[in-house]
Amino acid sequence: EIVLTQSPGTLSLSPGERATLSCGASQSVFNNYLAWYQQKPGQAPRLLIYGASSRATGMPDRFTGSGSGTDFTLTISRLEPEDFAVYYCQQYGSLPFTFGPGTKVDIK
Amino acid sequence: EVQLVESGGGLVQPGGSLRLSCTASGFKFTSYTMNWVRQAPGKGLEWISYIDSSGTTTRYADSVRGRFTISRDNAKNLVFLQMNSLRAGDTAIYYCAREGFGGSLAFWGQGTLVTVSS
Repeated sequence: EIVLTQSPGTLSLSPGERATLSCGASQSVFNNYLAWYQQKPGQAPRLLIYGASSRATGMPDRFTGSGSGTDFTLTISRLEPEDFAVYYCQQYGSLPFTFGPGTKVDIK
Repeated sequence: EVQLVESGGGLVQPGGSLRLSCTASGFKFTSYTMNWVRQAPGKGLEWISYIDSSGTTTRYADSVRGRFTISRDNAKNLVFLQMNSLRAGDTAIYYCAREGFGGSLAFWGQGTLVTVSS
């Protein structure tokens, strides 16, 4: 099973600042099948990024995914008020599909 | 518009059974793999099962294998999760999710809460 770790656990930033979230895998993610999801309280997760770097339909271009192999990054270029949420990475290249523990981005 | 609506959650005693349903609309159901993902209260996400578009291939997380069964009715655009031998640790919101690009989870329902308690 591929174990995903995310850092930091919590990121406290102000609107307009840049957020950099990391996701590390215990072994190489097949075909860079790595996704990022955003989840707000009381809501279902929403797909942001798939294939490590492809933006899902309708996602703003301030969200950028990068990385390959075992190290991946989600960057939010300028935080908007609606971006404060929990972000999860997930690998779907090997069974069982696994999620990281999440990074909470909160308002400083 | 893609819509996924889960139902069937509720309170069940340890050792009991429950069957969840997911009603899909707004897309060609027979073309997509469907998944179930759960989230324990205040915790992270856990993928638990998928079923391919034809219903031929299913996969499970170790935590539920042998107790949970995923199935689908392509004529009625439904996905099911039969849950047996339920434990307190199965308490969670259960989400139905449609496969997206390359197998990511592109669309999610709002979830249904399953509580296992005596």
